Amino acid sequence: AQTVTQSQPEMSVQEAETVTLSCTYDTSESDYYLFWYKQPPSRQMILVIRQEAYKQQNATENRFSVNFQKAAKSFSLKISDSQLGDAAMYFCAYNPLSGYALNFGKGTSLLVTP
Amino acid sequence: EAGVVQSPRYKIIEKKQPVAFWCNPISGHNTLYWYLQNLGQGPELLIRYENEEAVDDSQLPKDRFSAERLKGVDSTLKIQPAELGDSAVYLCASSLRGGSSYNEQFFGPGTRLTVL
Repeated sequence: AQTVTQSQPEMSVQEAETVTLSCTYDTSESDYYLFWYKQPPSRQMILVIRQEAYKQQNATENRFSVNFQKAAKSFSLKISDSQLGDAAMYFCAYNPLSGYALNFGKGTSLLVTP
Repeated sequence: EAGVVQSPRYKIIEKKQPVAFWCNPISGHNTLYWYLQNLGQGPELLIRYENEEAVDDSQLPKDRFSAERLKGVDSTLKIQPAELGDSAVYLCASSLRGGSSYNEQFFGPGTRLTVL
């Protein structure tokens, strides 16, 4: 079974600063996908960024980037130039190629202060 | 393009009552998922459909939960009878097809169920 661990229940960052959210996972698969989802109070789960395990290059989407360390099974999310609208729950998720259900971590609540 | 639609957004019921949730996936999406999200937790899969076939329902508590996806489009998740522990958010998601190498799932806004 695959497990996803987010060790930071809450994080806080000042507007315009940078914050990094941590995620580790456990799997015996060699190919898989990793995701970061954002869930604001509206409950709508929004995909922030994805990473294919076979790609060595870290994914980047505007202010969002990841640090993917396959050997360490680590997948952290860096948010640069934080904005008030970034405040939300952030979930790390794993998706094996051979199956289709997303395995989510417990989430990290991000607070952005002015 | 319309996203995944769910209704109702909120539901409050007494324990032992039945309840049903409805989901309409993105047009053309063959795969539909129901997830359960307890407070302070990440979503967990309840059931996955490929068209009208339930291909993964191992986590669905079949004594009280049932689901259907007639005609392979919209889906209904039912709980009968509801228990206090069923209070949670029920999320529906859809994806273009199962088996693709890139499996992005699009989520609906969820239904928040409160059982009193």
